[in-house]
Amino acid sequence: GIQVEQSPPDLILQEGANSTLRCNFSDSVNNLQWFHQNPWGQLINLFYIPSGTKQNGRLSATTVATERYSLLYISSSQTTDSGVYFCAVPAYTQGGSEKLVFGKGTKLTVNP
Amino acid sequence: EAQVTQNPRYLITVTGKKLTVTCSQNMNHEYMSWYRQDPGLGLRQIYYSMNVEVTDKGDVPEGYKVSRKEKRNFPLILESPSPNQTSLYFCASSFTPLGERGAYNEQFFGPGTRLTVL
Repeated sequence: GIQVEQSPPDLILQEGANSTLRCNFSDSVNNLQWFHQNPWGQLINLFYIPSGTKQNGRLSATTVATERYSLLYISSSQTTDSGVYFCAVPAYTQGGSEKLVFGKGTKLTVNP
Repeated sequence: EAQVTQNPRYLITVTGKKLTVTCSQNMNHEYMSWYRQDPGLGLRQIYYSMNVEVTDKGDVPEGYKVSRKEKRNFPLILESPSPNQTSLYFCASSFTPLGERGAYNEQFFGPGTRLTVL
């Protein structure tokens, strides 16, 4: 099945710093999502980005589907950005099942 | 407000005591699914449903049941919970099934249910 790899696994920043998180996937995909899991465990939708670039405030994402990767940019990081960032892609089986396959995540810690 | 809701948010129970975790969405979504999240194992799909009365097993269905009698609700039933079902559970929904290529199928997740089985 499709494999999703995220890097780096851990990232520690000072408030105000910028960062880039990477997501590589092993097969072509129809869409890709980025999520933020906050310290309370909630999964927050960040981007639904099959291809191209999107921006939402200090966050932006780029997916290059032909090269099988996506990048999440966080600028001027804040302590509230802390948590785990996941990318996820849909996977299908011959039996007809379908699901999201998640990467292992990047754990981001932003220190004041 | 468009959302996926789950109840309860936290539950501590004992082995063998049947429980139901409810999931409801108000977005008229066709596709709904359940995941569990465990340290070191990530998020794994338990069951999914492409529409009313259509459900199917995911990767880890053992010990769980689901039903989809109405479009908006997709409860997860643990008939006889065991300690290995202690986990963080998420319900998710999307407008269309994931397999509809080219269609808009962004997944929206509920807030999660932390279940502890003693």
